Amino acid sequence: GENVEQHPSTLSVQEGDSAVIKCTYSDSASNYFPWYKQELGKGPQLIIDIRSNVGEKKDQRIAVTLNKTAKHFSLHITETQPEDSAVYFCAASKGGGTGANSKLTFGKGITLSVRP
Amino acid sequence: DTGVSQDPRHKITKRGQNVTFRCDPISEHNRLYWYRQTLGQGPEFLTYFQNEAQLEKSRLLSDRFSAERPKGSFSTLEIQRTEQGDSAMYLCASSFNPRQGTYNEQFFGPGTRLTVL
Repeated sequence: GENVEQHPSTLSVQEGDSAVIKCTYSDSASNYFPWYKQELGKGPQLIIDIRSNVGEKKDQRIAVTLNKTAKHFSLHITETQPEDSAVYFCAASKGGGTGANSKLTFGKGITLSVRP
Repeated sequence: DTGVSQDPRHKITKRGQNVTFRCDPISEHNRLYWYRQTLGQGPEFLTYFQNEAQLEKSRLLSDRFSAERPKGSFSTLEIQRTEQGDSAMYLCASSFNPRQGTYNEQFFGPGTRLTVL
């Protein structure tokens, strides 16, 4: 089955700096890669996703890049703010198809701390 | 609020008791997923439904676990004879997959935190 690895496990940055979180996946059939942000006591919140037919996607301060050959994808957060502090999870799925199970396989998460 | 809702938010029970959780997905979402999350880990897939049909169950879902989605809307997850190892956050997610080839954005609820004493 799919295996998603996420590194580093913790990351601390100064407010205003950029943060980069990297993930690797093992199953070349995976074609959908979402990123979730989880705050304490809450469920994961989808913040951005990318399909395998796209190399990069950007939404304001957040961007995601995908390298299918190397089987890795990264989350980039620019101009970090204290409210960006949370646990971030990457995931992979064989999305699509009415009969296909689009279950998400998650990494272990990274705790991002933004120092004011 | 039109997001995914779960009830209860917290449940404390004694070992050996049965517990039941409820999930109400986003309206018109045809897929519903259950995941389990333990401390310091990412969510792990348990089972999913397309409309009322339960299409796949993870090996994590022992025979003490049962899930239903009787009318293709809300779902329940029951754990019988709870064990301390069942203590975790149980998350529900829903998505809309109308036809072949569509990708699923899964939206999660706030979770039910289960503590088995």
